[in-house]
Amino acid sequence: GQQVQQSPASLVLQEGENAELQCNFSSTATQLQWFYQSPGGSLVSLLSNPSGTKHTGRLTSTTVTKERRSSLHISSSQTTDSGTYLCAIALNYNQGKLIFGQGTKLSIKP
Amino acid sequence: EAAVTQSPRNKVAVTGGKVTLSCNQTNNHNNMYWYRQDTGHGLRLIHYSYGAGSTEKGDIPDGYKASRPSQENFSLILELATPSQTSVYFCASGDWGGPQDTQYFGPGTRLLVL
Repeated sequence: GQQVQQSPASLVLQEGENAELQCNFSSTATQLQWFYQSPGGSLVSLLSNPSGTKHTGRLTSTTVTKERRSSLHISSSQTTDSGTYLCAIALNYNQGKLIFGQGTKLSIKP
Repeated sequence: EAAVTQSPRNKVAVTGGKVTLSCNQTNNHNNMYWYRQDTGHGLRLIHYSYGAGSTEKGDIPDGYKASRPSQENFSLILELATPSQTSVYFCASGDWGGPQDTQYFGPGTRLLVL
């Protein structure tokens, strides 16, 4: 089965609304990262959050390691937030091998 | 900001032909990775490398070879391309030693095998 599952698969919001994205994983993760993929395809790391809560700008990630789940909260969404958000885990610190979920496609309407 | 470049950006190949995808990084990262991205599968790891001269198999290595001749360069080689290898390929680099380390991705290469 899939080791990293993201929900919802897609999400449509009005500008200014908050977005909540979920990531569940089936193995113990030593690393958890959220990536953003633009509509043009480029991938950038948003934040690393293997446990606890982490904030950066309008993004807040909360990871509950024991429950094998993480969330990404985007406050006051903007049209430029539109794209696909990918969750990825690593099972081993030393290798850096990431296992990706299939992503949540977020569309923010003006 | 880490700089990872890929070439070519787009490629059309014929079935049975040889295809080489190139990746270059300028940040002296030890680790480099090749992924493919397909609808319904997300990003999947093909090969990776810990440094010059090393290559390791990822989760879906069949039909692919990799070469890491230097710290900066990492190539993905399709000796006998097949239509099932039509995909978008991403190269990434990064050092890996702790929970805050990350990977930096190139812009991707769109490969179409006819």
